[in-house]
Amino acid sequence: NAGVTQTPKFRVLKTGQSMTLLCAQDMNHEYMYWYRQDPGMGLRLIHYSVGEGTTAKGEVPDGYNVSRLKKQNFLLGLESAAPSQTSVYFCASRIGGAYNEQFFGPGTRLTVL
Amino acid sequence: DAKTTQPPSMDCAEGRAANLPCNHSTISGNEYVYWYRQIHSQGPQYIIHGLKNNETNEMASLIITEDRKSSTLILPHATLRDTAVYYCIVREGATNTGNQFYFGTGTSLTVIP
Repeated sequence: NAGVTQTPKFRVLKTGQSMTLLCAQDMNHEYMYWYRQDPGMGLRLIHYSVGEGTTAKGEVPDGYNVSRLKKQNFLLGLESAAPSQTSVYFCASRIGGAYNEQFFGPGTRLTVL
Repeated sequence: DAKTTQPPSMDCAEGRAANLPCNHSTISGNEYVYWYRQIHSQGPQYIIHGLKNNETNEMASLIITEDRKSSTLILPHATLRDTAVYYCIVREGATNTGNQFYFGTGTSLTVIP
């Protein structure tokens, strides 16, 4: 049982390049989330999904797209990367319902030059 | 969801109890108090949550005041591995609306040998 995994762990992009971050969970969780964390700040929600085939915007969705084609995977895409998207990206999942905890992945450190 | 206020930093001697306060004076009746922590560069980890009764688990205790306007997370015997940023989050239970957790900047706890 690997929990929540994220691929890749590190990435350096040039401005304007695109990439996709992959989050995978093997706990059969319904809900999945993408957060970003900038230095010295807390986590901010980018997008989330309440089930396979669904996505919704969070607090800071601009410049990102997401897809949840399979229940176990949640993809975060950057179509045209900007230096302002340099951050650490965390994925999380939870079972569903109201009272349960989120399980977080180890993070992806992205630098946009 | 109600906002929370936490001190930016605290120190605690190893082996002593660490008491981390959180103010949530605008909390409403159906909002729960959650605590997470983030050890350097890792994904956040769930600690505990509660509604109005005090709660205890293997990691910590949560004390919520009778008026629910503030709470305290207690780590009974702090170790060096408890050095982390601790986040207090208030959100609605019994609803799937938004499903968002708003992480502030938290309290940076340093356990001193």
